[in-house]
Amino acid sequence: TQLLEQSPQFLSIQEGENLTVYCNSSSVFSSLQWYRQEPGEGPVLLVTVVTGGEVKKLKRLTFQFGDARKDSSLHITAAQPGDTGLYLCAGATGSARQLTFGSGTQLTVLP
Amino acid sequence: NAGVTQTPKFQVLKTGQSMTLQCAQDMNHEYMSWYRQDPGMGLRLIHYSVGAGITDQGEVPNGYNVSRSTTEDFPLRLLSAAPSQTSVYFCASSHRGSGSHEQYFGPGTRLTVT
Repeated sequence: TQLLEQSPQFLSIQEGENLTVYCNSSSVFSSLQWYRQEPGEGPVLLVTVVTGGEVKKLKRLTFQFGDARKDSSLHITAAQPGDTGLYLCAGATGSARQLTFGSGTQLTVLP
Repeated sequence: NAGVTQTPKFQVLKTGQSMTLQCAQDMNHEYMSWYRQDPGMGLRLIHYSVGAGITDQGEVPNGYNVSRSTTEDFPLRLLSAAPSQTSVYFCASSHRGSGSHEQYFGPGTRLTVT
C-alpha cells in the first residue's frame, strides 16, 4: 500500500500570513493532485502536477512537485479567510485510475 | 450538467440492515470510484470501475458490493451494515482520456450505523 503523509494535520493562522503544506511519500507517482474540500461537500481539484520539479501557480497558491516525484508542497501567500478548508494531496500511479490520498491538512485562516 | 450526484445525503441504519448508495454522472466518464472518508484518514478507495460491466476492488472493499450496468450509474451496496461502516461516502468519476487522472466528486453521503 502506497502512503502519502501530509503535514501539518492542522494549521490555524492569521489573515495575511504565509503557509506551506507538505505531502511526502516513499513511492513514485506519475502525477500528484491537490484538492480542497469544504464542509459538507466533496473535494474539488485545484491542480495536477505531472513532471518532476514542476511548479504551478494558481493566484496566491504555488504548487511544487519534487524532482523525484515522491513529494509535493502547497504554498499560500497572504492567506485569506476564504482559503479555509481541508487540503488533500493525492498521488496517481499507472493507468488504473487509483488515487492514494493523504490524510489532509485542515487550514483555518482567522480574520 | 449536474456532474456527479449522490443519494441520499444522510442515512441512519441499524446494525445488520442493508442499503444501496446511489451515484450517477452525466459527463460520460468511463471511470468511476467509491471512497470513504474518516477523520484523520483522508479518502480510502472502496471499489472502482473502468467501464460498464467492469469493477475491481480498492483498498477497503470488505462489506461492500458494486455493479456497473451503465456508464452513468455506479451504486454501492452495503450487505449487512456494521458500526465500522459509519463514514462519509464519496463517489467520483474521471475521463479515460485525462492523463492527469482528474476526478470529479459528488457531494457525499453521510452514513451512521447504530
